[in-house]
Amino acid sequence: GAVVSQHPSRVICKSGTSVKIECRSLDFQATTMFWYRQFPKQSLMLMATSNEGSKATYEQGVEKDKFLINHASLTLSTLTVTSAHPEDSSFYICSAPAGTSGSDTQYFGPGTRLTVL
Amino acid sequence: GESVGLHLPTLSVQEGDNSIINCAYSNSASDYFIWYKQESGKGPQFIIDIRSNMDKRQGQRVTVLLNKTVKHLSLQIAATQPGDSAVYFCAENIQGYSTLTFGKGTMLLVSP
Repeated sequence: GAVVSQHPSRVICKSGTSVKIECRSLDFQATTMFWYRQFPKQSLMLMATSNEGSKATYEQGVEKDKFLINHASLTLSTLTVTSAHPEDSSFYICSAPAGTSGSDTQYFGPGTRLTVL
Repeated sequence: GESVGLHLPTLSVQEGDNSIINCAYSNSASDYFIWYKQESGKGPQFIIDIRSNMDKRQGQRVTVLLNKTVKHLSLQIAATQPGDSAVYFCAENIQGYSTLTFGKGTMLLVSP
């Protein structure tokens, strides 16, 4: 199956700092990638859709100025959590569909554990 | 957004038993369904999918059943093993739209 990587796997930062998380599709190109957030014992909640060459689409309630998304190439999307606060501590996961149709299997990265002190 | 609780439904089984994990989906327009397995601290892993023109699909040790009439999806795992212990999520999708909507998840605990 297709492989998606994330970096870093875990990060601890101080409140007020910004953190960048990378999502890469290793063996396929992805014009679209998705960013999810997952709190303990809860399901994945879609934050935004990252589109190569255009602006990201954010879900309702997600602040676009706080969660900056850049889809720099067909294999890389980045999520920057700006001015992080303890309530931003969560497990952030990206995914990418391995195909060009609207209903392709999505492959997920291993996730990034963010802890804001 | 969906309402979520702090406690996942849990299914506890003995090694070797067959497991059935259920999922109710909400959107009658959904036509593509996927089951994912998520181990602690890891991203979801694709298990099996099914399109709405089918009501059953089998993989290795896993079977997915789809009942569109009652909007119900199930995952059957045969001869469950300790390595199957994880949280299982169903996800639904509408053809032409690439976003997935995830269910709440079920934790499967397999005892040796």
